Amino acid sequence: EAGVVQSPRYKIIEKKQPVAFWCNPISGHNTLYWYRQNLGQGPELLIRYENEEAVDDSQLPKDRFSAERLKGVDSTLKIQPAELGDSAVYLCASSARRTAFRETQYFGPGTRLLVL
Amino acid sequence: GENVEQHPSTLSVQEGDSAVIKCTYSDSASNYFPWYKQELGKRPQLIIDIRSNVGEKKDQRIAVTLNKTAKHFSLHITETQPEDSAVYFCAASTLGGGADGLTFGKGTHLIIQP
Repeated sequence: EAGVVQSPRYKIIEKKQPVAFWCNPISGHNTLYWYRQNLGQGPELLIRYENEEAVDDSQLPKDRFSAERLKGVDSTLKIQPAELGDSAVYLCASSARRTAFRETQYFGPGTRLLVL
Repeated sequence: GENVEQHPSTLSVQEGDSAVIKCTYSDSASNYFPWYKQELGKRPQLIIDIRSNVGEKKDQRIAVTLNKTAKHFSLHITETQPEDSAVYFCAASTLGGGADGLTFGKGTHLIIQP
């Protein structure tokens, strides 16, 4: 079974440019998460989707960040415009819901963003 | 919201010795506590998790203990090996609850000295 797939793996852009990250979760996983991991820190949740619905986006900086999961499978996270402080690794994770509980979150390899 | 504190930030042990990493959490509603291992430049990978209805769980050389009253949980690695060198993250969430994204600690860099 394929794991969580993310692309691109690396991205270097100049500040004020837009950037987008793509995630394909594990097949059958209806819950999708985007996390940001700054250097030397643990991942921080940005947004969580249940199917196509964003059910927790309280930590997403909505002035410049947006996300979508139109068909409840793949997801895209966008930053426009990017700032120097956005340099980080952007991780996507997915999990399945079984009965009333969610199973383990599985992470993708991440997209390492460098803003110059 | 939830706050997870993790100690120590760096841990160096001799190969074959045991390593213990400790975490505390603030939200009494948290009921799921996974531990992830992250090697340099790679994805976090789950190594063990525990739910609040048990106090201890073991998988070969790795064990996790949970004290709900004190709101802390610990990772124990016995007979450490060079391949155990990595950054370890603890996390907490409420399985099945509302905002159940994981809240992570800041990580522990485990160094296994040969």
